[in-house]
Amino acid sequence: QKEVEQNSGPLSVPEGAIASLNCTYSDRGSQSFFWYRQYSGKSPELIMSIYSNGDKEDGRFTAQLNKASQYVSLLIRDSQPSDSATYLCAVPSGYSTLTFGKGTMLLVSP
Amino acid sequence: EAQVTQNPRYLITVTGKKLTVTCSQNMNHEYMSWYRQDPGLGLRQIYYSMNVEVTDKGDVPEGYKVSRKEKRNFPLILESPSPNQTSLYFCASSLVGGNSNQPQHFGDGTRLSIL
Repeated sequence: QKEVEQNSGPLSVPEGAIASLNCTYSDRGSQSFFWYRQYSGKSPELIMSIYSNGDKEDGRFTAQLNKASQYVSLLIRDSQPSDSATYLCAVPSGYSTLTFGKGTMLLVSP
Repeated sequence: EAQVTQNPRYLITVTGKKLTVTCSQNMNHEYMSWYRQDPGLGLRQIYYSMNVEVTDKGDVPEGYKVSRKEKRNFPLILESPSPNQTSLYFCASSLVGGNSNQPQHFGDGTRLSIL
């Protein structure tokens, strides 16, 4: 069983701060990594994908991947109250499935 | 608009009464999947389909059936629902399955309560 681990949180940050969300995975062969955002009672929404070691930036979001350490993170700069949600890390398992972490709840206070 | 559509969005029913949750996608995706989401357990895959007439079990398939007769549709069937199947269900699709660079697109979810 492939494992994807996340700290459940909640991670609390003040508005304007940088939020750092972390994820570790067990399958060394994983090639693609996804971050989803899920508001309470809503469906997961893809916000970032990353396939190569290093950083990938998209607006206020930066995904960081370190395959040697089996570690992927998501940084949210200038956090806003609207960023308050649960963030899910997802890693493909073999060819046919996507394994999700249980998610980290982020709370951004005004 | 590209989307995954699930119906119904909400359903309250009783133990043993067969039900079907429909899922349809308009993106010509090959891969479709069903998940259930429970507090503290995260998203768990029930069944998936790599293409028409190709389905396979996920992590929690007991008590569920699926079919994939057409590329766009992937219904989830509960032949004899039980209270432990009360959950939030999501259908998802992607261009191809698994270990590719293709993310999954989710439907809006079906909140199912079995009394």
